[in-house]
Amino acid sequence: DTAVSQTPKYLVTQMGNDKSIKCEQNLGHDTMYWYKQDSKKFLKIMFSYNNKELIINETVPNRFSPKSPDKAHLNLHINSLELGDSAVYFCASSSTRYEQYFGPGTRLTVT
Amino acid sequence: RKEVEQDPGPFNVPEGATVAFNCTYSNSASQSFFWYRQDCRKEPKLLMSVYSSGNEDGRFTAQLNRASQYISLLIRDSKLSDSATYLCVVNILSGTYKYIFGTGTRLKVLA
Repeated sequence: DTAVSQTPKYLVTQMGNDKSIKCEQNLGHDTMYWYKQDSKKFLKIMFSYNNKELIINETVPNRFSPKSPDKAHLNLHINSLELGDSAVYFCASSSTRYEQYFGPGTRLTVT
Repeated sequence: RKEVEQDPGPFNVPEGATVAFNCTYSNSASQSFFWYRQDCRKEPKLLMSVYSSGNEDGRFTAQLNRASQYISLLIRDSKLSDSATYLCVVNILSGTYKYIFGTGTRLKVLA
């Protein structure tokens, strides 16, 4: 009965590789998000999708590309990974301006 | 000035103590307010939404002061299990709804 799930939970890869993180929610929410939490623990919005449409795109390198095949899924693809991309990436969902629910996070380590 | 500001702490308190956290926000278009709790290496989890009239959930009381643009969280009878980082979250309407996270306040409850 997981509400927001992400895979993989851990991802260790080398610089220059391309990787994807998947997210799914079964809460029936219309909005999904990707956040990045760096080593200083600050949680920063990257992208937001509402009913499969991109509505927030913060200043994120264009190596990061979100894709929403349907409103229950939001994936994140990262090209040409860099050391600075190492962080925890959280997916979340909500119904418009109500509370958000987070996935367990994907801990990405780029070596 | 940050949009959402919190004292990072840590607040070290003995078991049974009462502790209060404040959070200030700068955007008057702020619509909804929340407190989240984040344990080490885990995802943020909703603790409580904050309503204009103030609200209580067991040992936790949240208050909102729109005139002064701050929200507060009071924890009574602290338990060891309350040790975590408490995140203040504000939802603003800026074209679309957007959640802004504070940097969090770290609480350590000591035996």
